[in-house]
Amino acid sequence: DAGVTQSPTHLIKTRGQQVTLRCSPKSGHDTVSWYQQALGQGPQFIFQYYEEEERQRGNFPDRFSGHQFPNYSSELNVNALLLGDSALYLCASSLMSGGGYTFGSGTRLTVV
Amino acid sequence: GESVGLHLPTLSVQEGDNSIINCAYSNSASDYFIWYKQESGKGPQFIIDIRSNMDKRQGQRVTVLLNKTVKHLSLQIAATQPGDSAVYFCAEKRGASGGSYIPTFGRGTSLIVHP
Repeated sequence: DAGVTQSPTHLIKTRGQQVTLRCSPKSGHDTVSWYQQALGQGPQFIFQYYEEEERQRGNFPDRFSGHQFPNYSSELNVNALLLGDSALYLCASSLMSGGGYTFGSGTRLTVV
Repeated sequence: GESVGLHLPTLSVQEGDNSIINCAYSNSASDYFIWYKQESGKGPQFIIDIRSNMDKRQGQRVTVLLNKTVKHLSLQIAATQPGDSAVYFCAEKRGASGGSYIPTFGRGTSLIVHP
């Protein structure tokens, strides 16, 4: 039973560019949440998707957007990248009806 | 601001000793807490959770204690092993209408186990 799969594992982008990160949830899960984890910090909630809609959002600018597909997979898009966007981006899946979160191993984004 | 925080950034212990990692929270309405373990290069992994109607919960080699009076919880790891070396986070439940609960993380404590 596959857990949460994220791609790519590592990515280097130039300031001002746009990036798309991908996540496949754990089999049977219907909800996907995205987190940003800066070095030495705890994960910070970006947003959550369920039924292809953004349900909750953390304190992140509109440069951060997302999408959920009918198969429950999800994408995180970041526009106009800043150096400060360099971080580990974590995807977590869960069931809206309850239960715990399963995290992927993340995508390490470096903005230069 | 951050409502879940940890007392120490780093904890060093000898293999075989017991480890205690502490966490304070500020929202008295929080009713669900989770401890996660994050190893290098991996995402957070669920360890144990506790609801606010409980004072203590035990798992395999781990115990979580909740003191609602002082808004403090701790994770105790018995007979710490080198494989326990990781960053540990406490997270509280925050939810909103239209969505499931969102784990809100503090900064984490790095546990280093010396052989």
